[in-house]
Amino acid sequence: DTEVTQTPKHLVMGMTNKKSLKCEQHMGHRAMYWYKQKAKKPPELMFVYSYEKLSINESVPSRFSPECPNSSLLNLHLHALQPEDSALYLCASSQDWTSGGAYEQYFGPGTRLTVT
Amino acid sequence: GEDVEQSLFLSVREGDSSVINCTYTDSSSTYLYWYKQEPGAGLQLLTYIFSNMDMKQDQRLTVLLNKKDKHLSLRIADTQTGDSAIYFCAERSLLTGGGNKLTFGTGTQLKVEL
Repeated sequence: DTEVTQTPKHLVMGMTNKKSLKCEQHMGHRAMYWYKQKAKKPPELMFVYSYEKLSINESVPSRFSPECPNSSLLNLHLHALQPEDSALYLCASSQDWTSGGAYEQYFGPGTRLTVT
Repeated sequence: GEDVEQSLFLSVREGDSSVINCTYTDSSSTYLYWYKQEPGAGLQLLTYIFSNMDMKQDQRLTVLLNKKDKHLSLRIADTQTGDSAIYFCAERSLLTGGGNKLTFGTGTQLKVEL
């Protein structure tokens, strides 16, 4: 099973709203990722968690707040977003490099976010 | 930094072979990946190659790697309409804090015509 699930599939929010995106995997992976993807562009890395600790923040604005409550779950809390934050948000997971191997990342289907 | 480059668009007839090219930037990358993305969907991992290999074959997919030129290609044999999608190559770098970072190519839109 190489499934990563994400909820919701679609989200429309106003600039003053607070919402959260959720991601779950049961592959025993200890690294989890958030990406942002604009139309016709490659995904851009936002955050990496390794063993539930933040490994990297790619200079993402503080209106995006990640959380990794346990090894299977990854959340992205959203607050005071701007219309330019509208995009497809993808979650991924992989083995961590300490376990050896190709560490291939498996992606979820994404959440299509629209900020009005 | 430099971009991982791919040609933007490729059109082929059903049944022909497709070749998607990628020029990557980091000569120390140990693994290189190919992903497929259909409209409105996430990324599907197709295959990957380790840097000490020149070629890897997986059913209809063949990956060729030229480390000297930092050139990667994906050949799809007997291309079908279901292969129409955007294809991304990606190079990997390990993160000292754990996990790994993928740097994606610009993406190639493959259109398969009847």
